[in-house]
Amino acid sequence: DGGITQSPKYLFRKEGQNVTLSCEQNLNHDAMYWYRQDPGQGLRLIYYSQIVNDFQKGDIAEGYSVSREKKESFPLTVTSAQKNPTAFYLCASSAGGTRVTNTGELFFGEGSRLTVL
Amino acid sequence: AQKVTQAQTEISVVEKEDVTLDCVYETRDTTYYLFWYKQPPSGELVFLIRRNSFDEQNEISGRYSWNFQKSTSSFNFTITASQVVDSAVYFCALSEVYTGNQFYFGTGTSLTVIP
Repeated sequence: DGGITQSPKYLFRKEGQNVTLSCEQNLNHDAMYWYRQDPGQGLRLIYYSQIVNDFQKGDIAEGYSVSREKKESFPLTVTSAQKNPTAFYLCASSAGGTRVTNTGELFFGEGSRLTVL
Repeated sequence: AQKVTQAQTEISVVEKEDVTLDCVYETRDTTYYLFWYKQPPSGELVFLIRRNSFDEQNEISGRYSWNFQKSTSSFNFTITASQVVDSAVYFCALSEVYTGNQFYFGTGTSLTVIP
């Protein structure tokens, strides 16, 4: 089945450690996104990528890094510089990646819940 | 400024009641898209509907219906005869073509349907 796979589903981190969240899609989508969800704050965009080897900062990129070496993969690293990393992280993809294309809906993974101990 | 406002943080209804979730958006673009997503307790966001800015026809899908009014910048979602399985957090979202198709989400409305 086509879809988005995020791993791990739950992750615990000690303060000062970097962690990487995996996101893989087999939908052949050009665009991929990382969102952070905190209670009562909806979804906030961390990074997005509209094409391989290119990505853009979202609204809350500080303390995070990404790479887009392959079309199907968009891993997110939560660095020790992120002061409050405990949150629910959602990866998404969409077919439309440029201004001239129709804006397709976002397809989401099941999310990764990160807890800092 | 918040591009998408969902003023209702939490709503509780008794099963079989109708419920409307409000969504107000703000954009300067003439071409944009509006979405509704459902987030059940499992966490994954499930796509419900997409509407483009040139199509103001209301849509009905089973017990779900959507009312898009450009004059008031609103895209409200009504569930008729609610069921316990409708309990979830519902998000309204906006995508503007001129910002490179970024998505802006509201803060969500948590719906609880009481049996």
